[in-house]
Amino acid sequence: EPEVTQTPSHQVTQMGQEVILRCVPISNHLYFYWYRQILGQKVEFLVSFYNNEISEKSEIFDDQFSVERPDGSNFTLKIRSTKLEDSAMYFCASEDSFISQPQHFGDGTRLSIL
Amino acid sequence: GESVGLHLPTLSVQEGDNSIINCAYSNSASDYFIWYKQESGKGPQFIIDIRSNMDKRQGQRVTVLLNKTVKHLSLQIAATQPGDSAVYFCAEKGNTGFQKLVFGTGTRLLVSP
Repeated sequence: EPEVTQTPSHQVTQMGQEVILRCVPISNHLYFYWYRQILGQKVEFLVSFYNNEISEKSEIFDDQFSVERPDGSNFTLKIRSTKLEDSAMYFCASEDSFISQPQHFGDGTRLSIL
Repeated sequence: GESVGLHLPTLSVQEGDNSIINCAYSNSASDYFIWYKQESGKGPQFIIDIRSNMDKRQGQRVTVLLNKTVKHLSLQIAATQPGDSAVYFCAEKGNTGFQKLVFGTGTRLLVSP
């Protein structure tokens, strides 16, 4: 069964450094998302992306965050200058149809900011 | 605002019991609902979904019930197994086009052999 893959599984970064989280969505999917989950809390929406542009972003997704689909397969989330409070699990999800279908999630990247 | 915290509601059952996990959703305009299972260190895994024009949908060992009047969703797991132990989240969104999911707080299910 096709799946969303994310790399790395764990990223440890010094505060103030830039980090790029990578995702390969399911190949025929057209809609892409990033979500965040702080330890022990619920999953929160960050940003949605379609047709090479952001469709919606949350208040969390400030100027330090950016997303990109640099080629036909990868979807990346960049945090320019990380803060301690950026420590969380980051999940990528993709969806294949205009009519509501479940979003499929990767296993996430655990980001630890020191 | 939303309430979040480190302590998830927990449901403890014996293997073979039926489990019922409840969720109150927030937006009366939501018309598509999904239950996800999250195991430790993994991403949310799709279990079952339901659209607002239905009040019940059955899958393999799982049933989702939707009560739009009181904005309540439940997940029933029949003959619960130790492998069902996980955190279960409900999620809601609109049914028109692609939209973000809004997740509930989650319930931890512990199944004892």
